[in-house]
Amino acid sequence: QQQVKQSPQSLIVQKGGISIINCAYENTAFDYFPWYQQFPGKGPALLIAIRPDVSEKKEGRFTISFNKSAKQFSLHIMDSQPGDSATYFCAASYDYKLSFGAGTTVTVRA
Amino acid sequence: NAGVTQTPKFQVLKTGQSMTLQCAQDMNHEYMSWYRQDPGMGLRLIHYSVGAGITDQGEVPNGYNVSRSTTEDFPLRLLSAAPSQTSVYFCASSYSTSDWQFFGPGTRLTVL
Repeated sequence: QQQVKQSPQSLIVQKGGISIINCAYENTAFDYFPWYQQFPGKGPALLIAIRPDVSEKKEGRFTISFNKSAKQFSLHIMDSQPGDSATYFCAASYDYKLSFGAGTTVTVRA
Repeated sequence: NAGVTQTPKFQVLKTGQSMTLQCAQDMNHEYMSWYRQDPGMGLRLIHYSVGAGITDQGEVPNGYNVSRSTTEDFPLRLLSAAPSQTSVYFCASSYSTSDWQFFGPGTRLTVL
């Protein structure tokens, strides 16, 4: 049973648009919430991460929004570019263990 | 720094064969872990280690063994391969349990 539920499974966005990926969790022991980006044939790479005492974190065009009471967090990709086309995984961590969502494949159309 | 390296990149096994997937890191990270990635399921933790001589099971440990004799290396052993173990395997490392994990390039394993 997946501890982190991620949606949508895939999305298509026009260049310059906003991509939004949502994740939800149940285990309140999670204390670290990273997002990973993965290109075909490559390993996942950390994109941005947040801790539960912060409601929002922004790095360039990427923003994490975190709602501790709802046990939900989301990734917003602003001004989406063709180079952002990849699979994105949300994750949650506690006690040395990282649990991943199922992934969202983002396609940015030029 | 080479980061996290994995060998081999590709491997085909027959059911019942054994093999070892190699993982090494040169960043002096204490924490290392193995994940498998299957379509529609994300990455699932197989085994992890918080330091040399210390290992523990993750979410899907059955059919896999690990050991950690040095800080740098964390091999994953398949004792008797099964078709259900066909997957892409990733090794990762980090300085601490809540720090971000650096992933290797992966090993694509097919068991016939």
